[in-house]
Amino acid sequence: GAVVSQHPSWVICKSGTSVKIECRSLDFQATTMFWYRQFPKQSLMLMATSNEGSKATYEQGVEKDKFLINHASLTLSTLTVTSAHPEDSSFYICSARGLAGFEQYFGPGTRLTVT
Amino acid sequence: GENVEQHPSTLSVQEGDSAVIKCTYSDSASNYFPWYKQELGKGPQLIIDIRSNVGEKKDQRIAVTLNKTAKHFSLHITETQPEDSAVYFCAASNPGNQFYFGTGTSLTVIP
Repeated sequence: GAVVSQHPSWVICKSGTSVKIECRSLDFQATTMFWYRQFPKQSLMLMATSNEGSKATYEQGVEKDKFLINHASLTLSTLTVTSAHPEDSSFYICSARGLAGFEQYFGPGTRLTVT
Repeated sequence: GENVEQHPSTLSVQEGDSAVIKCTYSDSASNYFPWYKQELGKGPQLIIDIRSNVGEKKDQRIAVTLNKTAKHFSLHITETQPEDSAVYFCAASNPGNQFYFGTGTSLTVIP
């Protein structure tokens, strides 16, 4: 149980285009999902907290208009990187809060490369 | 805010030996402490966790201990195997459920 999927697993896009990443909780309903960014050999950096049916809460320094987050259902949250630039290249990981309210289960991550 | 420190940053052990990774936290309100294993190119996988009302938890070869007074918690892996090689992250969570991660420990188990 507690499986979280992400799609795509990797994506290459051209500078200036937008990319959408999907995060799904497969076997449980997640009222809260989280989006993280991870640079090579570094820890996870929380970008935003996404609650179903409401606006996401962004961490300080994260551009809301650049990283659009939608949590339209209890099993799906999406992250759209708008007008991507090479500095947006990174490993993006989502997580979903478990039913007990404590745990977070992570997706497999999405490797974004902007050329 | 919460500050989580993790040591060591790298750890090499011989197969069959034990590995210990330690974390300290600063916020006494933190009440949940998970440990994650991350393999290269993959997302973190929850391997064990402990809540603040418990001092120790064990799951086969993996155990976690928590000292609330000293604000530190540790991951213990016994009888290490090559497949235990990965990066391990600790985290501390407050009642608001925001996770604060340690900086990670790269564990290498030498066959």
